[in-house]
Amino acid sequence: EAGVTQFPSHSVIEKGQTVTLRCDPISGHDNLYWYRRVMGKEIKFLLHFVKESKQDESGMPNNRFLAERTGGTYSTLKVQPAELEDSGVYFCASSPLGPVTGELFFGEGSRLTVL
Amino acid sequence: GESVGLHLPTLSVQEGDNSIINCAYSNSASDYFIWYKQESGKGPQFIIDIRSNMDKRQGQRVTVLLNKTVKHLSLQIAATQPGDSAVYFCAEMPGGSYIPTFGRGTSLIVHP
Repeated sequence: EAGVTQFPSHSVIEKGQTVTLRCDPISGHDNLYWYRRVMGKEIKFLLHFVKESKQDESGMPNNRFLAERTGGTYSTLKVQPAELEDSGVYFCASSPLGPVTGELFFGEGSRLTVL
Repeated sequence: GESVGLHLPTLSVQEGDNSIINCAYSNSASDYFIWYKQESGKGPQFIIDIRSNMDKRQGQRVTVLLNKTVKHLSLQIAATQPGDSAVYFCAEMPGGSYIPTFGRGTSLIVHP
């Protein structure tokens, strides 16, 4: 069974440009999460989808970030316009619906470098 | 414990030693705790979890201890191997929440 896949693995863009990150969760996983890790810091929560609905987007830093999950399958995270402080590794994770569990299945991350 | 600045706390051990990685959590409402391991170039991987009605849980070569009084969590790795070298994150979840909140992580370096 395929794990969580993320694309691209690494993106280098200039300040002011737009980047779209994509996440394909494990098939059948209705929970989908986006997290971000800035160098040396914690893995910070961005938002949580259940199927196509945003359940919690309290971690989204500002309105330059837009996440979507049309059809409840894959998700995209767009940053527009990108700023220097957006650099970091963006992780996507998924889990099945059911009893509360902290066992999330993470992708390998998309590293974003904003110059 | 955690250190200030941008550098991760680091634990260096010799192969075969036991490792203890510590984590202080902040939310008194958290009742579920998880440890993740992140190897270089990969995403975090679930290791073990523990609920607040327990103070110890054992897995294969790993043990998690929970001290709710002082809000402290630890991960013990027995007979540490080079393959255990990674960054280890603790995470906490308040009751009813589906969102793990992660700490900064501790880098474990195992010397052969």
